[in-house]
Amino acid sequence: KAGVTQTPRYLIKTRGQQVTLSCSPISGHRSVSWYQQTPGQGLQFLFEYFSETQRNKGNFPGRFSGRQFSNSRSEMNVSTLELGDSALYLCASSFGDEGVLGETQYFGPGTRLLVL
Amino acid sequence: GENVEQHPSTLSVQEGDSAVIKCTYSDSASNYFPWYKQELGKGPQLIIDIRSNVGEKKDQRIAVTLNKTAKHFSLHITETQPEDSAVYFCAASNDYKLSFGAGTTVTVRA
Repeated sequence: KAGVTQTPRYLIKTRGQQVTLSCSPISGHRSVSWYQQTPGQGLQFLFEYFSETQRNKGNFPGRFSGRQFSNSRSEMNVSTLELGDSALYLCASSFGDEGVLGETQYFGPGTRLLVL
Repeated sequence: GENVEQHPSTLSVQEGDSAVIKCTYSDSASNYFPWYKQELGKGPQLIIDIRSNVGEKKDQRIAVTLNKTAKHFSLHITETQPEDSAVYFCAASNDYKLSFGAGTTVTVRA
């Protein structure tokens, strides 16, 4: 069974530009979560999508947005890039069933974004 | 929100010895506690998890314990091997939002 895939794997942008990252979840998984990983702040939750709706949101500015398609694939967008947005962006997927005591989230390899 | 603290930040052990990493959490509503291993250039990989209705779980050389009263949980790796060298993260969750500890860099000396 294929794992979570993320594209592109590496990206270089300049300040002020915008970027779109893509995530394909494990087949059958309907929940996709996004995380930002930096040396200073560690792993931080951005948002979670389920059935094309944002179900949970972290404490990031509105420049960070996402969406999910009917096939559960997800994209996240960062507008007006800042130097501090340089990070590894990780996507994780799970079945998304509510009422389940803790669902395992499986992570993709991440997209490394460098903002110059 | 949830706050997860993880100790130690670095851990060096002799091959064959045991490694223990400890985490505390703040939100009593958290009910799911996974542990991830991250190798250089890769995404976090789940190695073991425990739910709040269980006190201990073991999978071969890896075990996790949970003390809900004290709000802490620990990872135990026995008979460490060089391939156990990596960064380990604990996390806590009560929905689909995982709150992570800062990570522990484990080095296994041959």
